[in-house]
Amino acid sequence: GQQVMQIPQYQHVQEGEDFTTYCNSSTTLSNIQWYKQRPGGHPVFLIQLVKSGEVKKQKRLTFQFGEAKKNSSLHITATQTTDVGTYFCAGSSSNTGKLIFGQGTTLQVKP
Amino acid sequence: GAVVSQHPSRVICKSGTSVKIECRSLDFQATTMFWYRQFPKKSLMLMATSNEGSKATYEQGVEKDKFLINHASLTLSTLTVTSAHPEDSSFYICSAPNLGTSHYNEQFFGPGTRLTVL
Repeated sequence: GQQVMQIPQYQHVQEGEDFTTYCNSSTTLSNIQWYKQRPGGHPVFLIQLVKSGEVKKQKRLTFQFGEAKKNSSLHITATQTTDVGTYFCAGSSSNTGKLIFGQGTTLQVKP
Repeated sequence: GAVVSQHPSRVICKSGTSVKIECRSLDFQATTMFWYRQFPKKSLMLMATSNEGSKATYEQGVEKDKFLINHASLTLSTLTVTSAHPEDSSFYICSAPNLGTSHYNEQFFGPGTRLTVL
């Protein structure tokens, strides 16, 4: 079945450093979504990428969707302590709304 | 944004009992809802797709007789963990896409239910 792999599993950075998490799907995706889950909370939608090679920015966050629509990345510039949490990518290969989540990358930021 | 609620937020039960978890879309209608299970420090594992007015679609390896899903209305889906055992202890989360306001298929997640089976 479809699999979505995400690396790294954990990342510890000093406040102000950059951070990147990578996502790879075993199949071509129709879209990929990114979610953030704070400790003790539930996943919150960040963004969706649909087009091949698409790049979207949200303030310090940059999201990319690969040309083959099988990989994606999230890059955070100059991390802040408020960026702490687990970032999940989630891929969809159909229009059913069904998402397959990556394992998540847990980000810790040292002040 | 759209709001999805879950009830209860926490439940502790004895082994062998059944537990019902409710997922409600509060300000939109959801013909489809999704049920996930999340182990500590792990990802969300899709269990099943709940379809209003029809049978749920279960993912491979998920026992449909163990995890009963009922989507009785456009705003409510329930997950019943039958004859619960300690290995069923987990964090159960539901989600729903608000197709009425977003064509991007964004999922709105409930706050989750922490189930502990003694």
